[in-house]
Amino acid sequence: DAMVIQNPRYQVTQFGKPVTLSCSQTLNHNVMYWYQQKSSQAPKLLFHYYDKDFNNEADTPDNFQSRRPNTSFCFLDIRSPGLGDAAMYLCATSREVGVSYEQYFGPGTRLTVT
Amino acid sequence: QQQVKQSPQSLIVQKGGISIINCAYENTAFDYFPWYQQFPGKGPALLIAIRPDVSEKKEGRFTISFNKSAKQFSLHIMDSQPGDSATYFCAASTYSGGSYIPTFGRGTSLIVHP
Repeated sequence: DAMVIQNPRYQVTQFGKPVTLSCSQTLNHNVMYWYQQKSSQAPKLLFHYYDKDFNNEADTPDNFQSRRPNTSFCFLDIRSPGLGDAAMYLCATSREVGVSYEQYFGPGTRLTVT
Repeated sequence: QQQVKQSPQSLIVQKGGISIINCAYENTAFDYFPWYQQFPGKGPALLIAIRPDVSEKKEGRFTISFNKSAKQFSLHIMDSQPGDSATYFCAASTYSGGSYIPTFGRGTSLIVHP
């Protein structure tokens, strides 16, 4: 059963047209993350939440915003997508387990900007 | 500035051989070191992880070796199989605001020939 669900899996948007990507989880993890991953590159952290506490990475562009209305759902809003924002967007969750932690990634949403 | 350096960028191994991927870090604030496996079109999956107070951790065919003084760690895949062909990311994590924040290496593309 899918534990971290991302919709849609593929999204095409026009240059400058706002787009929202969604993520939901069935794990009840208190931490959720949004990453951007470009081709053949490492995932780059954009935001993360501990419950409703929002943490914005210093180099995340203002064009990107996020919302987490409840434990299960998290959204990534791109206000004015540029060609450079075309990438795979990954949602992940985590929780502490003793001295370790579990982390699960969703399958990603591939964003194309035309 | 690349905080986690990973090598090699690509690796080709014969079935049954040992795959070795190396990582190095600078920031001594990192206190958790996970490895991720990513197949094409999928999100990364947490594979195995180690804390700096342990020099080695083994799970099945996967072993992490950790050298705290040298600030280096490596992943060894014993008896490599074609199904292990994937991209592997090392990461170094800090704990902030109730959550682990991994900084990823650039990834190693592993191909295991049958």
